[in-house]
Amino acid sequence: NAGVTQTPKFQVLKTGQSMTLQCAQDMNHNSMYWYRQDPGMGLRLIYYSASEGTTDKGEVPNGYNVSRLNKREFSLRLESAAPSQTSVYFCASAQGLSGNTIYFGEGSWLTVV
Amino acid sequence: AQKITQTQPGMFVQEKEAVTLDCTYDTSDQSYGLFWYKQPSSGEMIFLIYQGSYDEQNATEGRYSLNFQKARKSANLVISASQLGDSAMYFCAMREQNTGRRALTFGSGTRLQVQP
Repeated sequence: NAGVTQTPKFQVLKTGQSMTLQCAQDMNHNSMYWYRQDPGMGLRLIYYSASEGTTDKGEVPNGYNVSRLNKREFSLRLESAAPSQTSVYFCASAQGLSGNTIYFGEGSWLTVV
Repeated sequence: AQKITQTQPGMFVQEKEAVTLDCTYDTSDQSYGLFWYKQPSSGEMIFLIYQGSYDEQNATEGRYSLNFQKARKSANLVISASQLGDSAMYFCAMREQNTGRRALTFGSGTRLQVQP
């Protein structure tokens, strides 16, 4: 059981380049999330998707777009990368509300130079 | 808006001793869940323990226990018999269940170092 899979794990971009972080879950979860983690800080929500076909902004959405392609996949796109987007990105999925029903990917390390 | 506060940026503990990591939260929702995660230097988020707002008993998972004081809005993590492998960042998080996006909101974390 793979759980939540993120790709790529590491990426270096030049300022202004675009890229897409891919996330897929095999647990048939309705909700999926993208977070970013900056040094010395907790995770902050970028975007989330409560179900297939719906997406909503989180705490720090500027500079990002998302796409819930189907129930399994939730991608995060940087259209024009900026050094301020250098961060570790985590995808997560969830089903249900109580208990430990939230599962994280292993993280994607993105550096924008 | 929900908020999580962890006031200890760093903590030291001697091996085999117990340590308490502090967490306070703020929410207007009556139904919510509180989580603790461990993040080792390798970066993955490791779930440790969960407490529901209506749970009457404090949660325990092996060496981890959650000291839940609802009136004070605190959810401190207690690690008993610390081990060298416990050295990591620890994050407290909350998930509201009736309002908003039902996503986790995280505190800024506490870096725990276990000394031999």
